[in-house]
Amino acid sequence: EAQVTQNPRYLITVTGKKLTVTCSQNMNHEYMSWYRQDPGLGLRQIYYSMNVEVTDKGDVPEGYKVSRKEKRNFPLILESPSPNQTSLYFCASSSWRGYNEQFFGPGTRLTVL
Amino acid sequence: SQQGEEDPQALSIQEGENATMNCSYKTSINNLQWYRQNSGRGLVHLILIRSNEREKHSGRLRVTLDTSKKSSSLLITASRAADTASYFCATDVGGGSNYKLTFGKGTLLTVNP
Repeated sequence: EAQVTQNPRYLITVTGKKLTVTCSQNMNHEYMSWYRQDPGLGLRQIYYSMNVEVTDKGDVPEGYKVSRKEKRNFPLILESPSPNQTSLYFCASSSWRGYNEQFFGPGTRLTVL
Repeated sequence: SQQGEEDPQALSIQEGENATMNCSYKTSINNLQWYRQNSGRGLVHLILIRSNEREKHSGRLRVTLDTSKKSSSLLITASRAADTASYFCATDVGGGSNYKLTFGKGTLLTVNP
C-alpha cells in the first residue's frame, strides 16, 4: 500500500531534549516536505527536499533541521525543542517537484513542556 | 501573509445542499490544489487544476480557476455528513530548485444530517 509513515504519532517531551521525528515513504517520490499545523495559522511549511541531499527552507525553518540521505526517508530534527514548537506535524511526499498531489502522513502531535 | 486564503472560514449546511468554498491567492501559479482534512488527520488530495485550465470535475466536486482574478472555487454538490471536514487550497510558488507549496488556513465545513 502506498503510504507515508511518521513516528512517533504522539510525543510529550521537555524543553531542550533533542528529538527526531521520522518520515518514510514507499512511493519512490523525489519531493518530501515537513509542515506544522497550528490553530488559526493553518499549515506552514518547515523544510522541503527536492531529492536526495537537496533540502531547502520553507516558511518557518527556525529551530528545525532536516536531512535527506536516502530517497525514502526525511527525518525532522529538533535539536533543542521549545514550548513554541508544540504543534501537529505532517510529512508529505510527491513525485516530481510537488507539482502533483502530495501524500500526507498521519501526523505527529508534539508537546514540549 | 498567506499565498492562499480560503473563504469563508466556516460553513454550515444541511445534508443534500451544495457547499461552495473560495480561495484567493496573490502571485502567479503553476497549479492550484484542493485538500480535505478530517479532524486531526493528514490531508487528503482532492483535485488539482493547472493554470491553463478553467474548470475540472471529480465525482461530486467541481473546481474552477480564474487566473485573472487569482481565485478558485470548490463546489461540493449534494453534500453528505461524511463531507464534514476542513478544506484547504494550496498553490505552488516559485520554480526550478525553489519550488514550494503554500496552503491557506482552510474552510471548516459542517454538514448537518
